[in-house]
Amino acid sequence: DVVLTQTPPTLSATIGQSVSISCRSSQSLLHSNGNTYLHWLLQRPGQSPQLLIYSVSRLESGVPNRFSGSGSGTDFTLKISGVEAEDLGVYYCVQGTHAPLTFGSGTKLEIK
Amino acid sequence: EVQILETGGGLVKPGGSLRLSCATSGFNFNDYFMNWVRQAPGKGLEWVAQIRNKNYNYATYYAESLEGRVTISRDDSKSSVYLQVSSLRAEDTAIYYCTSNAFAYWGQGTLVTVSS
Repeated sequence: DVVLTQTPPTLSATIGQSVSISCRSSQSLLHSNGNTYLHWLLQRPGQSPQLLIYSVSRLESGVPNRFSGSGSGTDFTLKISGVEAEDLGVYYCVQGTHAPLTFGSGTKLEIK
Repeated sequence: EVQILETGGGLVKPGGSLRLSCATSGFNFNDYFMNWVRQAPGKGLEWVAQIRNKNYNYATYYAESLEGRVTISRDDSKSSVYLQVSSLRAEDTAIYYCTSNAFAYWGQGTLVTVSS
């Protein structure tokens, strides 16, 4: 199974600070069809997860453009350019390239 | 507006079974793969099962930890997906979420508690 290693496990940021979360895969997430199925989710406290970024860098509709994704192969990054209070929660990367689908262990973002 | 509603959770004794249902609307269900994902209390997300669409012959995939105890199915005429879980154990206690492929759409989840 593909293992996704997320770092850091926790992140403390002030409002307006820019932060990054890393997601490293145990094998390449480049699918034979040329797509890379690495997505980023945010789960706010007490809520269901929501999709932020799909296929590495594509911003989901309605998601603020302070969120961005980058990477390829086995190394991926989620960046928040200017954290806002509503960004607190747990961020997960998830891959859909290889079965079984797997999630990273999550990064908890706290607001100072 | 996309809506996903999971039902069927509850308290069940170890060894028991449950059938979870997920009713959807607001998107072209027939085109989508559908997944079940669960989250144990205070823990992270765990993928459980996927069912693909008709173009992929409704192929199914399961998490190894649950294989043999779960069955995913769908009814395109009802825009619904189901998860049958048997031989339930305490460690199956979790919120079970229904979600579309690429995790674009999520329900609010249904809580399954396995306890005597």
